[in-house]
Amino acid sequence: GQNIDQPTEMTATEGAIVQINCTYQTSGFNGLFWYQQHAGEAPTFLSYNVLDGLEEKGRFSSFLSRSKGYSYLLLKELQMKDSASYLCAVRDRNGGYNKLIFGAGTRLAVHP
Amino acid sequence: EAGVVQSPRYKIIEKKQPVAFWCNPISGHNTLYWYRQNLGQGPELLIRYENEEAVDDSQLPKDRFSAERLKGVDSTLKIQPAELGDSAVYLCASSTTSGNLYNEQFFGPGTRLTVL
Repeated sequence: GQNIDQPTEMTATEGAIVQINCTYQTSGFNGLFWYQQHAGEAPTFLSYNVLDGLEEKGRFSSFLSRSKGYSYLLLKELQMKDSASYLCAVRDRNGGYNKLIFGAGTRLAVHP
Repeated sequence: EAGVVQSPRYKIIEKKQPVAFWCNPISGHNTLYWYRQNLGQGPELLIRYENEEAVDDSQLPKDRFSAERLKGVDSTLKIQPAELGDSAVYLCASSTTSGNLYNEQFFGPGTRLTVL
């Protein structure tokens, strides 16, 4: 079956660094996405990993280890506007089609 | 460029009533998705269209849910009759051809449905 786990909530201080972990189990792994979702808004794309290693994009970086079924999203120089839910989503290829399976999301609260 | 458009943004109905949601994807995106997001959960796929063909509707509760994308552009998702458990945010997303290695899905703002 498919399973994605990520912490439910995290808190951090403005200016600090936070790491949000995601572990997954899937039969047809074909990439991992991170999305940001502010309360009451649509999820917006942050990053994509399909090969092992680190992808850096400004203040945000995402890491993938396919052998461990593990990814993390690293947020640096935290700002108040980073308070949001962060969704880990695995693209699972089954039956010839890609399907995006989302985790429940990690609610991040950034405090002054 | 306009993003994914959904309407209405909010809908409150009584149980057993019908309800419909509309989505217009980003121009040129031939893949359209309907998701349901319950409070505190991630989005769950209900149905995916490639142009006008529903290629994955395995998670759509077909006894009360239906969807259409007649001309391969905009789409409508319907619930009839609605139940209390259908209260959720219904998200529409679109992307380019799903066979690509990297096909980011762009989400609309969603319709928040409350069933009383």
